[in-house]
Amino acid sequence: AQSVTQLDSQVPVFEEAPVELRCNYSSSVSVYLFWYVQYPNQGLQLLLKYLSGSTLVKGINGFEAEFNKSQTSFHLRKPSVHISDTAEYFCAVNGDGGATNKLIFGTGTLLAVQP
Amino acid sequence: DADVTQTPRNRITKTGKRIMLECSQTKGHDRMYWYRQDPGLGLRLIYYSFDVKDINKGEISDGYSVSRQAQAKFSLSLESAIPNQTALYFCATSEPSGSNEQFFGPGTRLTVL
Repeated sequence: AQSVTQLDSQVPVFEEAPVELRCNYSSSVSVYLFWYVQYPNQGLQLLLKYLSGSTLVKGINGFEAEFNKSQTSFHLRKPSVHISDTAEYFCAVNGDGGATNKLIFGTGTLLAVQP
Repeated sequence: DADVTQTPRNRITKTGKRIMLECSQTKGHDRMYWYRQDPGLGLRLIYYSFDVKDINKGEISDGYSVSRQAQAKFSLSLESAIPNQTALYFCATSEPSGSNEQFFGPGTRLTVL
């Protein structure tokens, strides 16, 4: 069965510091991977996605993620965070090559940016 | 205007009441989904629909039912609400492509007393 693990439930960081939010997945077949962001009192918004090709994916707001097939990871990074990046971040996988078109979500990581 | 809308945005109800949450979309997508979000649990799929005549259960469908009235409308019902159904509910849509990128509504916060 497919699953997504976000080990860090909360990541505190100071403004202008770099951050990495970790995501690991399990799937026996090809995967599509996503990062979504949820700002306070809002729905989920797509940050970036990996479908195929280059393993380094760039998204909105300066975020990027790297697909590592051997480590089954898709960690999200930003070199310098802002207060406005405070939000909850969800990693998700479509782990059957699109056969069922269902996304499996991780439990989320709350990024708390402090001044 | 928002592409995916949900009504109501907030609802407080009592145990045993029937509740309907509505979702409408203007994206022209065939596929629609209902999720619930609980703190520390992420999003869990309740039901999904690939077209008007296709309804499928997700991982936590017990206690819920859905209706796909049209391509643009997908409603979630709680026949007899209970307190552990207190959660944030999201509707989402996607195109019938392999990647299944989903587009989310703003959510409905439901409290069952």
